[in-house]
Amino acid sequence: NAGVTQTPKFQVLKTGQSMTLQCAQDMNHEYMSWYRQDPGMGLRLIHYSVGAGITDQGEVPNGYNVSRSTTEDFPLRLLSAAPSQTSVYFCASSYWGQGHSGANVLTFGAGSRLTVL
Amino acid sequence: SQKIEQNSEALNIQEGKTATLTCNYTNYSPAYLQWYRQDPGRGPVFLLLIRENEKEKRKERLKVTFDTTLKQSLFHITASQPADSATYLCAVPGNQFYFGTGTSLTVIP
Repeated sequence: NAGVTQTPKFQVLKTGQSMTLQCAQDMNHEYMSWYRQDPGMGLRLIHYSVGAGITDQGEVPNGYNVSRSTTEDFPLRLLSAAPSQTSVYFCASSYWGQGHSGANVLTFGAGSRLTVL
Repeated sequence: SQKIEQNSEALNIQEGKTATLTCNYTNYSPAYLQWYRQDPGRGPVFLLLIRENEKEKRKERLKVTFDTTLKQSLFHITASQPADSATYLCAVPGNQFYFGTGTSLTVIP
């Protein structure tokens, strides 16, 4: 049971380049989400999904794109990277709804550190 | 939506003392509230969950309280140890999970 797997762990991009951060979970979780974490800012939600084919915006969605074609995978795409997107990115997943004792606990990945020059 | 506020960014205490961290939420009362621990360079890890009908929850040296009237949860670490040094995050569910900015705890030997 691998939990939540994020790749890559580190990435350096130049302004304007595109890339995809990968996130996969093997726990059959309905809910998947992407956060960014910057010093003094805490975790800020970028996008989330409550099931395959369903995505929604979080607090800071601009510049990011997501899709959820399978239950297991939730990739985060940066279409044209900007220095303001330099951050540590966390993917997290959980069960969703009342079917699992009515409480959902997030499992986080190890994080992806992105630097945009 | 929900706004989560956690007390002071940093808390320093002596080893053996009790650390108390505060989490306040501003809007609706959630069905439950969660606490996570985050170590530098790692993702947050779930610690404890307390439901709205529970006043207190304990797990080893950890204790969480939930006061829906005050819209507040307190997180206590008793007999603190240097290994407890980390950032502690409070989270409230809604249509998504809402996190506080976290409190950085340092336990001084």
